[in-house]
Amino acid sequence: NAGVTQTPKFQVLKTGQSMTLQCAQDMNHEYMSWYRQDPGMGLRLIHYSVGAGITDQGEVPNGYNVSRSTTEDFPLRLLSAAPSQTSVYFCASSMGGPITDTQYFGPGTRLTVL
Amino acid sequence: AQKITQTQPGMFVQEKEAVTLDCTYDTSDQSYGLFWYKQPSSGEMIFLIYQGSYDEQNATEGRYSLNFQKARKSANLVISASQLGDSAMYFCAMKGSGNTGKLIFGQGTTLQVKP
Repeated sequence: NAGVTQTPKFQVLKTGQSMTLQCAQDMNHEYMSWYRQDPGMGLRLIHYSVGAGITDQGEVPNGYNVSRSTTEDFPLRLLSAAPSQTSVYFCASSMGGPITDTQYFGPGTRLTVL
Repeated sequence: AQKITQTQPGMFVQEKEAVTLDCTYDTSDQSYGLFWYKQPSSGEMIFLIYQGSYDEQNATEGRYSLNFQKARKSANLVISASQLGDSAMYFCAMKGSGNTGKLIFGQGTTLQVKP
């Protein structure tokens, strides 16, 4: 049981390049989310999904795209990378449901945009 | 709108002593959940403890306890008998009653345990 996995661990992009951050979970969780962590600002929600085929925007969605074709996978696409997207990205998953629902996080992807 | 506030950017504690990390929250939801996560220097986010808004007793998990004061909208984390391995960033987070799985995080508190 690998839990939540993310690839790559590190990535350097040039401004304007696009890329996809991969996230997968093997816990059959319905809910998956993407957060970014910037120094001094905690984690902020980018996009989330409550099940396959259903996604919605979080607090900071601009410049990012998501899709959820399977329960297991929730990739995050950067359409045209900008230096402001330099951050650590975390994927999380949970069973879904009431307020007791605990999210479990992947190890993170550290992204630098030059 | 929901908000989490952690007012202590950094804290020091002597090994084997107890420490309290502060967290206050704001929400209009009647039903909500409060979480604490630990982030060591290696970067992963580790779930520590959960408190529901309707739970009458404070949550405990080993050396971690949550001092929940609903009227004051505070959910402080208490770590007893601090260990060197407790040195990390600690985040308080809240989930509202909407069935979306979204967490709102505070800015975090860095805890350093001194030998």
